Amino acid sequence: QSVLTQPPSASGTPGQRVTISCSGSSSNIGSNYVYWYQQLPGTAPKLLIYSNNQRPSGVPDRFSGSKSGTSASLAISGLRSEDEADYYCAAWDDSLSAPFGGGTKLTVL
Amino acid sequence: QLQLQESGPGLVKPSETLSLTCTVSGGSISSSSYYWGWIRQPPGKGLEWIGSIYYSGSTYYNPSLKSRVTISVDTSKNQFSLKLSSVTAADTAVYYCARSDYDYVWGSPMPNFDPWGQGTLVTVSS
Repeated sequence: QSVLTQPPSASGTPGQRVTISCSGSSSNIGSNYVYWYQQLPGTAPKLLIYSNNQRPSGVPDRFSGSKSGTSASLAISGLRSEDEADYYCAAWDDSLSAPFGGGTKLTVL
Repeated sequence: QLQLQESGPGLVKPSETLSLTCTVSGGSISSSSYYWGWIRQPPGKGLEWIGSIYYSGSTYYNPSLKSRVTISVDTSKNQFSLKLSSVTAADTAVYYCARSDYDYVWGSPMPNFDPWGQGTLVTVSS
């Protein structure tokens, strides 16, 4: 049971916009940055969003992050088949730990 | 560019100690800007942060694993290592090493892990 809560699954059709939520508390999301990772099947996770809403170089601007209070969201616009992957949120927790969310499996229909 | 590579036994017996090493190439582990971390992923499950170490030896551990985990650094070899004691089948997982930024305000690691090693599967079984 992670301290960061994500929906186990999400889906969308090509071209659609989908969002994935990440719910936490005042000790993690509420007071620290949120990070998002993409894990394609059989590969190591890749940093997708850092500091709530910043994209590393090479990450398409179809991916965006936002935070409000103790929750955060990852939005993917113009959904493509290659976006089918597992997505994880993470945030530093004031208990001196770095929890990940449970992960959301995105299916492109 | 910076690369990380995990190495160690792929099979560990229950109650024994799991030992893995991460070798860093293309950059120095002694940089003051980074922490070096271990993350694991049981088969079919999500990611779990194990802990992180700074080049000076300062460590942060997942509270749920803290009593069994030791992370150490060898700057002369540009490596850092993980030891997890008293393992059970529940410790079977792909173990990843990764770099993250140093938080200059709090002195703690930031969970912006990048890059990652390719991961190594460790199975706990007799």
